[in-house]
Amino acid sequence: QQPVQSPQAVILREGEDAVINCSSSKALYSVHWYRQKHGEAPVFLMILLKGGEQKGHEKISASFNEKKQQSSLYLTASQLSYSGTYFCGTERRGANNLFFGTGTRLTVIP
Amino acid sequence: SQTIHQWPATLVQPVGSPLSLECTVEGTSNPNLYWYRQAAGRGLQLLFYSVGIGQISSEVPQNLSASRPQDRQFILSSKKLLLSDSGFYLCAWSPNHHQPQHFGDGTRLSIL
Repeated sequence: QQPVQSPQAVILREGEDAVINCSSSKALYSVHWYRQKHGEAPVFLMILLKGGEQKGHEKISASFNEKKQQSSLYLTASQLSYSGTYFCGTERRGANNLFFGTGTRLTVIP
Repeated sequence: SQTIHQWPATLVQPVGSPLSLECTVEGTSNPNLYWYRQAAGRGLQLLFYSVGIGQISSEVPQNLSASRPQDRQFILSSKKLLLSDSGFYLCAWSPNHHQPQHFGDGTRLSIL
């Protein structure tokens, strides 16, 4: 039931773009995205509730393809502060909880 | 505004000892509450969640248990800790399961 994230890790230079993918084998109701800095708790970024919905947060945006049971997180013009591990959390219809992916470690270097 | 408190921040316990981690939420009522465990460099594993007082759902069979004695209090317990119980324990809350989850600062548990 755990969604699969790819890539597992990525290194970017400041200003470069990245895409993080999250896919599930189960039908999804929503997808949540979180970022966790080393040694800290995860912080909520955005939630996508409808198929095809796209949302944005600063220069970070996401899409949700309900039919393909996939979501992608887009980071544009990356900043040093974007470094961390990104998790997607998937919600199935009728469930009261999220299943989190294994995470994607993003490192932005000067 | 809502806040979540989790303590202690770090804990070192011997194998076989009991455990009690506490989480409280302020500024909201009837929240959904969650306990997660995160092994070093790994993802978030949901352990328990609760949608109301006395209502606990367990996701992973283990020697841990959870209780919700009050609306905004969530407790994670064990009678006898195992080495495999080491990890970073996170409590989270949300208004309901469709809403974002907000995490406490976590408890880093080491079993010796």
